[in-house]
Amino acid sequence: ETGVTQSPTHLIKTRGQQVTLRCSSQSGHNTVSWYQQALGQGPQFIFQYYREEENGRGNFPPRFSGLQFPNYSSELNVNALELDDSALYLCASSLADSTRFNEQFFGPGTRLTVL
Amino acid sequence: GQNIDQPTEMTATEGAIVQINCTYQTSGFNGLFWYQQHAGEAPTFLSYNVLDGLEEKGRFSSFLSRSKGYSYLLLKELQMKDSASYLCGPRDDYKLSFGAGTTVTVRA
Repeated sequence: ETGVTQSPTHLIKTRGQQVTLRCSSQSGHNTVSWYQQALGQGPQFIFQYYREEENGRGNFPPRFSGLQFPNYSSELNVNALELDDSALYLCASSLADSTRFNEQFFGPGTRLTVL
Repeated sequence: GQNIDQPTEMTATEGAIVQINCTYQTSGFNGLFWYQQHAGEAPTFLSYNVLDGLEEKGRFSSFLSRSKGYSYLLLKELQMKDSASYLCGPRDDYKLSFGAGTTVTVRA
């Protein structure tokens, strides 16, 4: 069973640029959630995708957008980067129909630094 | 909105017991997760409570009181490898919210 993977591991961008982060869900999972984790804070929910459609969204502006593909891999896109976007971005996959309480399995994260 | 409170730091000695308290206020509630996160790593699942009471899983137990908006994670027989951040996460339908986490340091 393959776990959740993310790429790249680290990324450095400058203000105003755009970035795409990628996530490969655990085999058999149909739901992916994205989180932003600032240093010393807990993960903050950005949005969730279920079967290629956005299923819900946290308090993040529209410049944060996402996609989920038929193979359940996904992307997080951030436009017009700001310094405060510097954080660890985590994706977590789960199986929506599972009896295991929708346990989310997290990937190792992408560390984004905006200069 | 969501408001989740847990202590910032706790220190204990190897073999001891530590209890991490979490209080929460969320617009909706479908259960509460606890995750462990070692520095520089992804969070890993520890427990999930949906009904009031205590859930025991090996050295770790988690308690929930929905009427009080309160949960705790109990770590018994502490080991050095338990040094990590512990995240309290109430769930509202599809959305999982997390507190800032409690950093537990285990000393020999």
